[in-house]
Amino acid sequence: DVKVTQSSRYLVKRTGEKVFLECVQDMDHENMFWYRQDPGLGLRLIYFSYDVKMKEKGDIPEGYSVSREKKERFSLILESASTNQTSMYLCASSRSGKTKNIQYFGAGTRLSVL
Amino acid sequence: DAKTTQPNSMESNEEEPVHLPCNHSTISGTDYIHWYRQLPSQGPEYVIHGLTSNVNNRMASLAIAEDRKSSTLILHRATLRDAAVYYCILPNNNAGNMLTFGGGTRLMVKP
Repeated sequence: DVKVTQSSRYLVKRTGEKVFLECVQDMDHENMFWYRQDPGLGLRLIYFSYDVKMKEKGDIPEGYSVSREKKERFSLILESASTNQTSMYLCASSRSGKTKNIQYFGAGTRLSVL
Repeated sequence: DAKTTQPNSMESNEEEPVHLPCNHSTISGTDYIHWYRQLPSQGPEYVIHGLTSNVNNRMASLAIAEDRKSSTLILHRATLRDAAVYYCILPNNNAGNMLTFGGGTRLMVKP
C-alpha cells in the first residue's frame, strides 16, 4: 500500500513563528502536493512539485513556500505564521503521466496559530 | 477546466444501495472521472475512476452516462463506515493531474 506520512497530526504555533510541515511518501512518486482545507472552502491547492527541486504555485501560495530536496519528501514552510493560516493541511502524491493516476493523501496536520 | 456539480448532502439507510450523482456537462473527450471520499478526521482517499465504460472495484461501482455528461457512484450496501464526503473530480490534464475539490456530497448513513 502507498503510504503518505505527515510528520504531525496536530501542531500549535505562535504568530510570527517559522513553521515546517513535513511530508514523506514511499512509492517513488514524481508528483507531490500541498493543500489546505477550511470549512466551507473545501480543499485548495497551495503548491505542487513535479520533480526534485521543482515547484509550481497552486491557487493560494501567498504566505507559503515549499522545498523538495529529495524525491520522497515535500516540505511546506510558513515563513511567519499568522492566525489566518490556522487550518488542516493535507499532503498528497501521485505518479506523473496520465490523468488516471491517483493521488494518495496523508492523514493531515491540523495547525493552530495563536 | 471542466466543473462538476453534486448535491450537498444525501441520506441512506444502512445495508441499502446508495447512488451518488455527479453532473459534468462540460467534460472533454479525454477527461477521466475520479471519485474520492473523505472520512471524518482523515485525508481524502481514492474510490474509483473511469473514462467511458462502467467500472467496478471492491469499494464501489461507477456508472457513466453514454454522453459522459454525468456519472453515478454506486455503493451497493451502505455501512456506517461509508459516512463521508464524496467528491466527483475531473483531474486537470494541463497541470500534473491536479485535483480541484468542490464541495462534494456529504453522505449520512442511518442505522
